[in-house]
Amino acid sequence: GAVVSQHPSRVICKSGTSVKIECRSLDFQATTMFWYRQFPKQSLMLMATSNEGSKATYEQGVEKDKFLINHASLTLSTLTVTSAHPEDSSFYICSARDPQGNEAFFGQGTRLTVV
Amino acid sequence: QQQVKQSPQSLIVQKGGISIINCAYENTAFDYFPWYQQFPGKGPALLIAIRPDVSEKKEGRFTISFNKSAKQFSLHIMDSQPGDSATYFCAASKGQAGTALIFGKGTTLSVSS
Repeated sequence: GAVVSQHPSRVICKSGTSVKIECRSLDFQATTMFWYRQFPKQSLMLMATSNEGSKATYEQGVEKDKFLINHASLTLSTLTVTSAHPEDSSFYICSARDPQGNEAFFGQGTRLTVV
Repeated sequence: QQQVKQSPQSLIVQKGGISIINCAYENTAFDYFPWYQQFPGKGPALLIAIRPDVSEKKEGRFTISFNKSAKQFSLHIMDSQPGDSATYFCAASKGQAGTALIFGKGTTLSVSS
């Protein structure tokens, strides 16, 4: 079964609206979770590191006010794309690492389409 | 600066053949090297991973070879099957749970039947 669960798997929203993506760690507690973005036929690019109970750490070039991250519990991190525009359309994937063996597991991904 | 370089970009292998994908890393602090398989529209799935204390790890048809001095590691898929057709990513990181993976650019594998 899935170790990391991500929801929704796909979403279509209108330009200017906000979209929330949830990422849950099912088998272990994750003080840190990661958000990636993937464009078609490209690799995964780290957007931000989500830290339970504290502010997220964003990679260079990622707008923290556009991509709001909340990590309110040891098993849930959320990514909110605010005031979405068509250029935000992409595949967003979350990840968490097992604190025992350090394996990194990924969610199923969320296909965001902004129209 | 690309910290993990992956090659080839694409690969075509006949059914039953061996698929080989190579990666090189730059940061000597990296100590965790996983490989992921990704199908279209899905998240990456962990295939196999290795740490620098061993030179090879095998799980079923998948083998990682690791060369610490050369800072290179590779994935070998034995007896390749059409169902193996997917995109494969190598990655590297420090081993701590709070550290993100750095990914290679990916290899698209097509196994012809």
